[in-house]
Amino acid sequence: SAVISQKPSRDICQRGTSLTIQCQVDSQVTMMFWYRQQPGQSLTLIATANQGSEATYESGFVIDKFPISRPNLTFSTLTVSNMSPEDSSIYLCSVGSAGGRSDTQYFGPGTRLTVL
Amino acid sequence: GDSVTQMEGPVTLSEEACLTINCTYTATGYPSLFWYVQYPGEGLQLLLKATKADDKGSNKGFEATYRKETTSFHLEKGSVQVSDSAVYFCALRGAAGNKLTFGGGTRVLVKP
Repeated sequence: SAVISQKPSRDICQRGTSLTIQCQVDSQVTMMFWYRQQPGQSLTLIATANQGSEATYESGFVIDKFPISRPNLTFSTLTVSNMSPEDSSIYLCSVGSAGGRSDTQYFGPGTRLTVL
Repeated sequence: GDSVTQMEGPVTLSEEACLTINCTYTATGYPSLFWYVQYPGEGLQLLLKATKADDKGSNKGFEATYRKETTSFHLEKGSVQVSDSAVYFCALRGAAGNKLTFGGGTRVLVKP
């Protein structure tokens, strides 16, 4: 399995500001994903980050609010823009190797974001 | 669309008790099924998976069998330990794509 790190591990931010979360993997991976886990809730997929192309967003998430970069096969960033208290969540990066329904996704440790 | 329903917690058990967490799903085609575990303060870890009907996934004493006839993937452990205290998530990956769909999570607390 891949070793995934995220920075920062946690942050407290003011309303209206933006935060960029980094995800680094120790090996090249085809698929990278960003999930949100709101307090006491399950995980919801925000977008799939594709190297060399635009990210694919799930319903309810838009690029202006959550811009994503994927400059190479080991790194991605997620920006949470113009934050409000409703953005307080854990944001998790996930990776998969080959795609397909049997592929396992592995998760990073998450970034705990609190917006005041 | 795809969905996963799992029993709500919290589930409180004594050490060495049996644990069952129910999980049922709705999906088109033949999804892959997963159980992930989230220990306090940590990220998600894959616990086990099954990719086709009647497959049994197992790890760390936990087991789950892919039951297509009942669209279920219940997680079981015969004797829990305090270290099993965590939140458990059932998830599926549909035949059509790469997206994981998660259940709501079940918090398990094992008391000594």
